[in-house]
Amino acid sequence: RKEVEQDPGPFNVPEGATVAFNCTYSNSASQSFFWYRQDCRKEPKLLMSVYSSGNEDGRFTAQLNRASQYISLLIRDSKLSDSATYLCVVRGYGNQFYFGTGTSLTVIP
Amino acid sequence: EAGVAQSPRYKIIEKRQSVAFWCNPISGHATLYWYQQILGQGPKLLIQFQNNGVVDDSQLPKDRFSAERLKGVDSTLKIQPAKLEDSAVYLCASSSLLGQAGMNTEAFFGQGTRLTVV
Repeated sequence: RKEVEQDPGPFNVPEGATVAFNCTYSNSASQSFFWYRQDCRKEPKLLMSVYSSGNEDGRFTAQLNRASQYISLLIRDSKLSDSATYLCVVRGYGNQFYFGTGTSLTVIP
Repeated sequence: EAGVAQSPRYKIIEKRQSVAFWCNPISGHATLYWYQQILGQGPKLLIQFQNNGVVDDSQLPKDRFSAERLKGVDSTLKIQPAKLEDSAVYLCASSSLLGQAGMNTEAFFGQGTRLTVV
């Protein structure tokens, strides 16, 4: 079983749309949770950490449900510049970072 | 603050040749990771070092891949001999330890080395 599972998409949405990505993780002892963004032919970069209470950064909202081992990312008012691959990442107790396969988003004018 | 440095950025080699990649992590980061990312997939952990010791190398193909971090700072990853299926981007990342006061908990990545085996 994979450590992190996420829907690879692709998601093609019009500008201004709201889009949600989900992922699940297998190890209940996981310590920290993140969403990374990866642009084409670039390295992954942190988009935001995910906290149990939920957190928001501008148009981005992340949620964590430890009981269901489920993480989500909501993007409101999508911009062309949001087009990228979004990676769900879980940090394990041994400091490993496990990545999902990534969800591809294309925002269409 | 300087980021994670990797070299070379690109490498093309023939199958059965050998290749080495170099990584210098962010200063003060105890943990260093090598990932392999095949097109269309998420990064796959190959090996994790804490200081100069190996923490996890369970997914490293040890018959052909080796890695070291002798002084607990920079690291090299070697492939010998290379196969066609090794064509991928090799990403180095570093992080501080969980619970280390005042330190972020995320991993920081270098720009990667894009390897093509022909």
